[in-house]
Amino acid sequence: ETGVTQTPRHLVMGMTNKKSLKCEQHLGHNAMYWYKQSAKKPLELMFVYSLEERVENNSVPSRFSPECPNSSHLFLHLHTLQPEDSALYLCASSQADSSVDTQYFGPGTRLTVL
Amino acid sequence: DAKTTQPNSMESNEEEPVHLPCNHSTISGTDYIHWYRQLPSQGPEYVIHGLTSNVNNRMASLAIAEDRKSSTLILHRATLRDAAVYYCILRDPYSGTYKYIFGTGTRLKVLA
Repeated sequence: ETGVTQTPRHLVMGMTNKKSLKCEQHLGHNAMYWYKQSAKKPLELMFVYSLEERVENNSVPSRFSPECPNSSHLFLHLHTLQPEDSALYLCASSQADSSVDTQYFGPGTRLTVL
Repeated sequence: DAKTTQPNSMESNEEEPVHLPCNHSTISGTDYIHWYRQLPSQGPEYVIHGLTSNVNNRMASLAIAEDRKSSTLILHRATLRDAAVYYCILRDPYSGTYKYIFGTGTRLKVLA
């Protein structure tokens, strides 16, 4: 248990569906992150929220839409995805104003797009 | 961010020490060296970090070269549960960005 939970753990969706991934952190951190991990590839940072404000968006297609309603919750809204978006989606949190901002990861959501 | 180089894979026997190397020849003076590991079907987890001096914690030890251009993660007695991908990451907390750059890491296989 890292203090970061993600739901659902597994998701299968069609290309026309709309779904959302949820992340919750119980660590009192002020920054939250979405990463994508495709098979055989390194983790790719997608979005960063610090104090509920989006501070990084690494050229992610608009079919991925993040939302951070408060410092404990982070969502990733998905719509009209492509099969190549199938991957493990990981959420992380950290205390971003510390000198060593250790990241704590959730277990991930395994997404399959048909 | 400075780049790190790690072997793609390593093997170790159970109960023996494991030394996982990382080269970071372009490290800057404010880069911290972090190690994370990712167990199968899980998110990455923090292992250890250091700046200049060697560090020990309950999971591992980190040995940092005097010139800081390389480091070694030491697992003192490998167990089957240590089989994972180990990532060496440089992170400058004063860089103004939030990026941790994960490379491909070293896949550690522990043999019973």
